[in-house]
Amino acid sequence: DAKTTQPNSMESNEEEPVHLPCNHSTISGTDYIHWYRQLPSQGPEYVIHGLTSNVNNRMASLAIAEDRKSSTLILHRATLRDAAVYYCILRRRRNQFYFGTGTSLTVIP
Amino acid sequence: NAGVTQTPKFRILKIGQSMTLQCTQDMNHNYMYWYRQDPGMGLKLIYYSVGAGITDKGEVPNGYNVSRSTTEDFPLRLELAAPSQTSVYFCASSPEPGQGLLYTIYFGEGSWLTVV
Repeated sequence: DAKTTQPNSMESNEEEPVHLPCNHSTISGTDYIHWYRQLPSQGPEYVIHGLTSNVNNRMASLAIAEDRKSSTLILHRATLRDAAVYYCILRRRRNQFYFGTGTSLTVIP
Repeated sequence: NAGVTQTPKFRILKIGQSMTLQCTQDMNHNYMYWYRQDPGMGLKLIYYSVGAGITDKGEVPNGYNVSRSTTEDFPLRLELAAPSQTSVYFCASSPEPGQGLLYTIYFGEGSWLTVV
């Protein structure tokens, strides 16, 4: 089973960095690590993904552990618009995406 | 820029009724998915399809059926609605690896279904 484990909730002050952790100890060599976020009453939206190396894009950075059993999504400066539920997902063969319960991020002004 | 379009957005069903949630995508993606999301929970995969004519069960397929006669359309059928099927339903699609610049999954806006 493509299971990931994330904290239920986290808080961050506005303008500060946020590190959202994810454990995926059952990851296989071909699984990609994806992160999505979901704003209230909307469908999830893509944030970032990677396989082995750390990745950066305009939204966030993804740090992947050397053994790939965990990863961390980094938001460099949290804004109020970043308040959402963040999902860490393993993309498995045949492009199956299995979502866990995610981390609800609260950004404090 | 239509992307993934789902209809209806809201629906109330009586127990035992049937209905079809429509989903269409205009990105020529081979892969399509149906998820459900119960209040305060993550998304659960109901069914997915890797191309026209091919469908497969996800985590929670019981009580649902799908078909994929074209690349664009992936309807989800509820045959005998039950209160346990009250949920938000999301349709999604994704390209083949290498088919698009950004290989990821694109979601529709969701369909809110209540069974009473």
